Amino acid sequence: DLVMTQSPDSLAVSLGARATINCKSSQSVLYNSNNKNYLAWYQQKPGQPPKLLIYWASTRDSGVPDRFSGSGSGTDFTLTISSLQAEDVAVYYCQQYFGTPPTFGQGTKVEIK
Amino acid sequence: QVQLEQSGAEVKKPGSSVKVSCRASGGSFSNYSISWVRQAPGQGLEWMGRIIPMHIIVNYAQKFQGRVTFTADRSTSTAYMELSSLRSEDTAVYYCARDRDPPRGDYSFDSWGQGTLVTVSS
Repeated sequence: DLVMTQSPDSLAVSLGARATINCKSSQSVLYNSNNKNYLAWYQQKPGQPPKLLIYWASTRDSGVPDRFSGSGSGTDFTLTISSLQAEDVAVYYCQQYFGTPPTFGQGTKVEIK
Repeated sequence: QVQLEQSGAEVKKPGSSVKVSCRASGGSFSNYSISWVRQAPGQGLEWMGRIIPMHIIVNYAQKFQGRVTFTADRSTSTAYMELSSLRSEDTAVYYCARDRDPPRGDYSFDSWGQGTLVTVSS
């Protein structure tokens, strides 16, 4: 199974500041024939199911604010929150869907400093 | 936008089985691919497998092979997950989720049920 490793496990960021979460895959999730990275990002708030933020590594899902952006390729990916808002406090997960089973990172907890 | 509504919380004895339902509304259920994902208390997310009701195709994660069964009733737009031989380690919130765009290889999950807490305790 592909192993997804996120860093850091947690971070505290001031309101309005940038938050950066990293995700590393044990193997490339880039499919060369279509040049797509099979990588998604989710946000999970306490007591709620995860919410899809980003798919294909950098495409925002419908309704997701543009302060959320995804980047990277191959094995290294980043989720950036450009200006942290109070409602962004949550745990964030990356997920690969290049291989079966799809696998998730361990999660990164984002808090307000 | 599709909505997924799951059945309520369950408390089960070790060795028993549990069946969780996931009813879809707001779209064409037959065209969906529905995955099941679980999350133990305070832990991360674990994919259990998926079912494609239109083609009656099921894929199970190796870890759950032989212990989990996915079914679907197209007449009620409902998917089911049954897990048997329950043990304490199966205590978790179980989610159904829709695979976003399977024909294009997009197995991200764009709609989620609210989750069903299954507690296994003697």
